[in-house]
Amino acid sequence: DAKTTQPPSMDCAEGRAANLPCNHSTISGNEYVYWYRQIHSQGPQYIIHGLKNNETNEMASLIITEDRKSSTLILPHATLRDTAVYYCIVRGRFQGGSEKLVFGKGTKLTVNP
Amino acid sequence: DAEITQSPRHKITETGRQVTLACHQTWNHNNMFWYRQDLGHGLRLIHYSYGVQDTNKGEVSDGYSVSRSNTEDLPLTLESAASSQTSVYFCASSDASRTDTQYFGPGTRLTVL
Repeated sequence: DAKTTQPPSMDCAEGRAANLPCNHSTISGNEYVYWYRQIHSQGPQYIIHGLKNNETNEMASLIITEDRKSSTLILPHATLRDTAVYYCIVRGRFQGGSEKLVFGKGTKLTVNP
Repeated sequence: DAEITQSPRHKITETGRQVTLACHQTWNHNNMFWYRQDLGHGLRLIHYSYGVQDTNKGEVSDGYSVSRSNTEDLPLTLESAASSQTSVYFCASSDASRTDTQYFGPGTRLTVL
């Protein structure tokens, strides 16, 4: 399985954009990049995913470099409720074609007032 | 509204006891997963199922078992609880055609004394 590297923590001012980086230099050509987040004491929440192209939804944008070795999750206008641990995940594959998500330690994002 | 629930939300048990944690989803998802979360380890996959009568071991399956007799439920059993199994347990489910988007339950906090 490809591995990911994220900074352990980041801070962001409320109302500003939060840019969370992730390195995945060993990603394979058919592996997607996923982002989840976990707000304190809650279950993880899916945010966005992508393969090659940049993606945007109502929650965030995902920018993937052309060589696919790194990506950035962008929360355009961070709020206090975005304080959470953010996980960058590269989808692994088991034998038989089954797939699973491997969660690393993530980035603890703190949005400050 | 469709949802995924876990019970109990909190459980205290003694070493050597058998414990079963329940997970129930109403999305009619084929895929279900059990994770544990400990400080310093992020989320780790215990067992998963891709349909009725299908079960597979994850990365930390020793001491745990699951069974899938219907689509809605994937109970997790600790055959003989150990203090090392004190953790927060999350259940998740996803549609067969979209294994990327996993929906997580609220979690069960288990303490083994």
